[in-house]
Amino acid sequence: EPEVTQTPSHQVTQMGQEVILRCVPISNHLYFYWYRQILGQKVEFLVSFYNNEISEKSEIFDDQFSVERPDGSNFTLKIRSTKLEDSAMYFCASSVFQGAGYGYTFGSGTRLTVV
Amino acid sequence: GQQLNQSPQSMFIQEGEDVSMNCTSSSIFNTWLWYKQDPGEGPVLLIALYKAGELTSNGRLTAQFGITRKDSFLNISASIPSDVGIYFCAGQTNNAGNMLTFGGGTRLMVKP
Repeated sequence: EPEVTQTPSHQVTQMGQEVILRCVPISNHLYFYWYRQILGQKVEFLVSFYNNEISEKSEIFDDQFSVERPDGSNFTLKIRSTKLEDSAMYFCASSVFQGAGYGYTFGSGTRLTVV
Repeated sequence: GQQLNQSPQSMFIQEGEDVSMNCTSSSIFNTWLWYKQDPGEGPVLLIALYKAGELTSNGRLTAQFGITRKDSFLNISASIPSDVGIYFCAGQTNNAGNMLTFGGGTRLMVKP
């Protein structure tokens, strides 16, 4: 079954450093997303991306964050000048249709720890 | 922003028992989804609901989309140990860049 692949599975970084989280969405999917889950809390939407541009972003997704699809397969989330409160699981997702439901698939996540 | 209130927050049940959890919202969603999350993994879709009043089953799971589009429940019948995990409801509106709004989750623990 097709999967959304995320790397690394765990990243530890010093406060103030920049990190890039990487995702390979399912190959025929057109819509890409990043979500965040702080430990013990609910999953929160960060950003959606379609046709090489951001289509929606949440209040969390401020100037510290950026996304890019540098080639035909990767989708990245860059966090500049990381803060302690950026520590969370970051999930990438992709979908083939605009609607949710079947085909909206999450990766296994990258656990980011800022120290 | 939109909020989904999910209850209960946690449940500790005996294997074989039935389980029920629900989500409510103050605003309307066009699609309701139920996900399960295992430790260290991403959410995995269990059931998707598209129409108000829709009742859908997936094996031992049954979910319904409320008539008002502001609520949904998930039932698990005859629970087994592998049902352990966190169950999240999520809602989507058509005009929100496909974003999903998640509930706070229900942590299910099953005693063999």
